[in-house]
Amino acid sequence: QVQLVESGGGVVQPGGSLRLSCAASGFTFSSYGMHWVRQAPGKGLEWVSFIQYDGSNHYYADSMKGRFTISRDNSKNTVYLQMNSLRPEDTAVYYCAKDAGYCSGGSCYGYYQMAVWGRGTTVTVSS
Amino acid sequence: EIVLTQSPATLSLSPGERATLSCRASQSVSSSLAWYQQKPGQAPRLLIYDASNRATGIPARFSGSGSGTGFTLTISSLEPEDFAVYYCQQRRVWPLSFGGGTKVEIK
Repeated sequence: QVQLVESGGGVVQPGGSLRLSCAASGFTFSSYGMHWVRQAPGKGLEWVSFIQYDGSNHYYADSMKGRFTISRDNSKNTVYLQMNSLRPEDTAVYYCAKDAGYCSGGSCYGYYQMAVWGRGTTVTVSS
Repeated sequence: EIVLTQSPATLSLSPGERATLSCRASQSVSSSLAWYQQKPGQAPRLLIYDASNRATGIPARFSGSGSGTGFTLTISSLEPEDFAVYYCQQRRVWPLSFGGGTKVEIK
């Protein structure tokens, strides 16, 4: 079955960096876009970033542009999130998610929605 | 950026009752809207994509409707496992965005 496992979270000081990883299995990873979504303690969901199936396009939330970089290695079935210049407000559980997009009968559905989610990795930014 | 406003913030209902959750967009998102369910300590789960399509394995008591700026998630008869927080998400415009959530709690 589809499985996503995030890692790389931890405690970091303000201004520091972390790289999150998400290992995928159970599907053809190189055929699907991937998302990162975060959730601050006690708060709602916040979309972070998306990368196209082949890495050709990526998008970011405005508050993360210039600080976060998404990438993927299709040979390792892994998507990454490099986070620099971290702030206390970046403290959250970070989830990776498989895009729900598919095409059938000449039409495409579900793109840029999150079909399957990992369990998340916790990032704490604090001095 | 498109802002999604969910209402009510909290819905107090009993098992077996019908739940109606609303999501309003600050501008038209056509039918490009999803609904997710999240239980405490768990990752979210996709319920509905493209406004009205149930995701794989989602029971028929969950249905989505709407287009443009107004959307509804309906749970026809609440089961004990349906008490959770529900989020809408638009995919029409980058950056993608989520609503603030509606908590469905046991009355």
